[in-house]
Amino acid sequence: QKEVEQNSGPLSVPEGAIASLNCTYSDRVSQSFFWYRQYSGKSPELIMSIYSNGDKEDGRFTAQLNKASQYVSLLIRDSQPSDSATYLCAVKPGSNYKLTFGKGTLLTVNP
Amino acid sequence: NAGVTQTPKFQVLKTGQSMTLQCAQDMNHNSMYWYRQDPGMGLRLIYYSASEGTTDKGEVPNGYNVSRLNKREFSLRLESAAPSQTSVYFCASSAPAPNSLYEQYFGPGTRLTVT
Repeated sequence: QKEVEQNSGPLSVPEGAIASLNCTYSDRVSQSFFWYRQYSGKSPELIMSIYSNGDKEDGRFTAQLNKASQYVSLLIRDSQPSDSATYLCAVKPGSNYKLTFGKGTLLTVNP
Repeated sequence: NAGVTQTPKFQVLKTGQSMTLQCAQDMNHNSMYWYRQDPGMGLRLIYYSASEGTTDKGEVPNGYNVSRLNKREFSLRLESAAPSQTSVYFCASSAPAPNSLYEQYFGPGTRLTVT
């Protein structure tokens, strides 16, 4: 069973701080990795995708990938209350079309 | 572009009733997916369609059928609804991209209650 593990949280950070969200995966041949944000009662929204080792930055978001350690993380700089949501990690294993999702980490940013 | 659309947004069924959830995308994507999301269980894949004319089972296909009507539309049918099928259903679509990214984009969801 290929698994994607996330700390369910809740992770609570003060406004303006850096929020760090972590994800580990079991399938070594995984190729692509995604972070989705899901507000309560809404659908998942893609915020970052990464496929090569290292960091990828997009505005206040940085995705970090370490394939040797089977670890992917999302950093949110200058966290805002509007960042409060559940963050889902997803992994594309091998060459098929499907994604495997983690159960998500609930992030709360306190004003 | 509307992206991925789903109908209906909400539905209440009695046990044993049937219904079809509709999904359409206007992004010219090849692949489409149906997920269900339950508290504590995360997103689970029900069925997917890699391309027009093909469908495959996902993680939790029992009690469901699908039809890939054309490239734009992918429907999910519950033939005889059960309370265990109470859930939020999401449709998603994706297209091939460089580096095998296959980013998936989600519709707004259908909240289904079976009594």
